[in-house]
Amino acid sequence: DIVMTQSPDSLAVSLGERATINCKSSQSILNNSNNKNYLTWYQQKPGQPPKMLIYWASTRESGVPDRFSGSGSETDFTLTISSLQAEDVAVYYCQQSYNTPRGTFGQGTKVEIK
Amino acid sequence: EVQLLESGGGLVQPGGSLRLSCAASGFTFSSYAMNWVRQAPGKGLEWVSGIFGSGITTFYAESVKGRFTISRDNSKSTLYLQMNSLRAEDTAVYYCAKISGGGYMDVWGKGTTVTVSS
Repeated sequence: DIVMTQSPDSLAVSLGERATINCKSSQSILNNSNNKNYLTWYQQKPGQPPKMLIYWASTRESGVPDRFSGSGSETDFTLTISSLQAEDVAVYYCQQSYNTPRGTFGQGTKVEIK
Repeated sequence: EVQLLESGGGLVQPGGSLRLSCAASGFTFSSYAMNWVRQAPGKGLEWVSGIFGSGITTFYAESVKGRFTISRDNSKSTLYLQMNSLRAEDTAVYYCAKISGGGYMDVWGKGTTVTVSS
């Protein structure tokens, strides 16, 4: 099974500052046939279901603010919030869908305001 | 509007059974694979089970294999999760999610809560 590991488990960032979350997979999740990394980022606020932010490692879902960006390839990925807003306080999860529908998640990263 | 609505959760004793349902609307249900994902209280997300659009091919996490059965009725646009031999560690909010053509879960339901306790 592909294991996803996020770091850090939590971080506190001042409003307007950058937040960076890392995600590492135990094996490459790059599909060489279409050159897509099967890595998705989700945001979850308390009492709500997860909301997809970014898919294929770097493609932002429609309606997601452009302060959210994703990068990386093969086994190492990053979610960046360029200028943290109050409404971004949430837990963020990475998830691999390389062998979809099986899809393991990272343990989550809690983002708070400093 | 694409929507998923879970139901069937509740309180059940250890060893008991429950069947969850997920009613889909706003898209051609039979064309998409679907997943069940759960979240124990205060914990992270755990993929539970998935099924292709045809309903023929299914997948399970090791933690539920042999106890849970995923199925779908494409004529009713409904996804199911039959849960048997329930354990305390199965206590969680259970979400159904649509899998896009690109492989990612793009639409989620609001979840239904399952509590396994005596």
